[in-house]
Amino acid sequence: DTGVSQNPRHKITKRGQNVTFRCDPISEHNRLYWYRQTLGQGPEFLTYFQNEAQLEKSRLLSDRFSAERPKGSFSTLEIQRTEQGDSAMYLCASTGGTEAFFGQGTRLTVV
Amino acid sequence: DAKTTQPTSMDCAEGRAANLPCNHSTISGNEYVYWYRQIHSQGPQYIIHGLKNNETNEMASLIITEDRKSSTLILPHATLRDTAVYYCIVERRDGGSQGNLIFGKGTKLSVKP
Repeated sequence: DTGVSQNPRHKITKRGQNVTFRCDPISEHNRLYWYRQTLGQGPEFLTYFQNEAQLEKSRLLSDRFSAERPKGSFSTLEIQRTEQGDSAMYLCASTGGTEAFFGQGTRLTVV
Repeated sequence: DAKTTQPTSMDCAEGRAANLPCNHSTISGNEYVYWYRQIHSQGPQYIIHGLKNNETNEMASLIITEDRKSSTLILPHATLRDTAVYYCIVERRDGGSQGNLIFGKGTKLSVKP
């Protein structure tokens, strides 16, 4: 297992388009988290899953954002009608115990 | 909001020990102190955590004061590859809440040759 994998690494999209990111956690990790990080700031929590159940959503997660984790394996984060303010690094993390393991992130640029 | 305060930046000479302080004066009895670091353009990486005893692993040492209101992360022999932003986080560990971490802005450590 090579760790948490995120795809794509970079995404440039036009304002108003929809985008979807994928996260493959470390196998057997039952918890999966999404974070967003803007320049100069620490990562901000968006949402998390316990297996396939989405248990918590931050108020940062507007109704244009949706996340799924079918069958408790990989997860997707979709942003509809993207806005320039959505430009950020989107990080995924998984944990099965003591510490969280983060992926390399997907950098989204909305033009 | 983050429950910790850290200096914005620090410098350290290569080969010397880097001591990164963190204040967490409102820490609760069931909250652990976690340290992560983030090297430019990568995801955060776990370093170490502790409750009240000092801890050491292959990466670093964590010194927690007796009143638990502050801690220090020690990188014993800093290298250029240790240049990163270091985040100190307090988090409960009941029911497996690990991962819902509240990051502050961290300390940008610059290791210089």
